[in-house]
Amino acid sequence: DVKVTQSSRYLVKRTGEKVFLECVQDMDHENMFWYRQDPGLGLRLIYFSYDVKMKEKGDIPEGYSVSREKKERFSLILESASTNQTSMYLCASSFVREGGEQYFGPGTRLTVT
Amino acid sequence: GEDVEQSLFLSVREGDSSVINCTYTDSSSTYLYWYKQEPGAGLQLLTYIFSNMDMKQDQRLTVLLNKKDKHLSLRIADTQTGDSAIYFCAESITGKLIFGQGTTLQVKP
Repeated sequence: DVKVTQSSRYLVKRTGEKVFLECVQDMDHENMFWYRQDPGLGLRLIYFSYDVKMKEKGDIPEGYSVSREKKERFSLILESASTNQTSMYLCASSFVREGGEQYFGPGTRLTVT
Repeated sequence: GEDVEQSLFLSVREGDSSVINCTYTDSSSTYLYWYKQEPGAGLQLLTYIFSNMDMKQDQRLTVLLNKKDKHLSLRIADTQTGDSAIYFCAESITGKLIFGQGTTLQVKP
């Protein structure tokens, strides 16, 4: 079974803090994705990566950066957390770029106070 | 531009059929997906359809695609309380998924 794990289920941070969200997949997938989920807005793509050390901006990259130093690990970084980044963050991975299933982690609910 | 729209809420009685609708705008979509999210969990793929198909059936699930109207639907036959969840449709464009807002399905006993 494919497993995508995220470092925390719940996280509370203060405004201005640097926040790291970690995602690890165990199926040797090339492709990894970070989304945020907000009620009434669905999932919005923040960043994605098709290979190690490679990253591409999604639809809402402002205020975020990512790191992919190893194939299995994709990190989302909030350089200076703000209250409007309070959200559910979902990581996903996939084997094929087009037409394949994206496997999702359980999500990290981040609250910025 | 890319946009996927769904109604936000659907309530049905146990045993009835549920139909969740979705419209999308980008005609270059290659695959269209239905994902399910149970409370406190990530998304799980339910089914998908290739853009040159009209219909796909998988046990209690039937997906209908009207490419001319850019309309996708998911029918769940004999809906059970365990089907209560949020259902997302998504279109695949150059490997990226564009998601709708999600439809919360409430199943009343």
